[in-house]
Amino acid sequence: AQKVTQAQTEISVVEKEDVTLDCVYETRDTTYYLFWYKQPPSGELVFLIRRNSFDEQNEISGRYSWNFQKSTSSFNFTITASQVVDSAVYFCALMPGNTPLVFGKGTRLSVIA
Amino acid sequence: EPEVTQTPSHQVTQMGQEVILRCVPISNHLYFYWYRQILGQKVEFLVSFYNNEISEKSEIFDDQFSVERPDGSNFTLKIRSTKLEDSAMYFCASSEASRRGYTFGSGTRLTVV
Repeated sequence: AQKVTQAQTEISVVEKEDVTLDCVYETRDTTYYLFWYKQPPSGELVFLIRRNSFDEQNEISGRYSWNFQKSTSSFNFTITASQVVDSAVYFCALMPGNTPLVFGKGTRLSVIA
Repeated sequence: EPEVTQTPSHQVTQMGQEVILRCVPISNHLYFYWYRQILGQKVEFLVSFYNNEISEKSEIFDDQFSVERPDGSNFTLKIRSTKLEDSAMYFCASSEASRRGYTFGSGTRLTVV
């Protein structure tokens, strides 16, 4: 079965704190892709990152970083020095093999000034 | 930057009526998708479309739903005889290749009353 689990339903942090959003996935495919999307209050889905299953290098993009660990089937997302504009729902998603994206339930992040 | 355009942004319809949600994918993309997000819940796959036919569909995508690419640029989702539980945000997405990240439209919020 293909599944994405985001155990944290809601997280609240104070501005400038670092925050990590957890994502655990399940798939039997050896080739798969992992994604993170941001859904701000306006409702659209904004692509953040795509990572394939053969590339376990961590990635950093500005204040965002991603930690992919195949051994624990996790693809965690860290925001450093959070800002109010980071407040959104964040979705982790899995593309197993050649099949459509499967989303987790999302984590609502609130950053308080 | 190229984007996926969805119209209308919000539609209110009476139960039992038919609705057509419209999408203009990115012009050089070959794969098209519809997803649904019931308020506060996760984003769920409905259907994928490639080479003028449905390539995959979920259990949600029953006989009430249909998709069409009528003119080479638009990609539509038709819901016949809408039910209250069809109220949701409907997202269209397109991708250049089957394993690439999807570009999502801003969504159509459908409210069935």
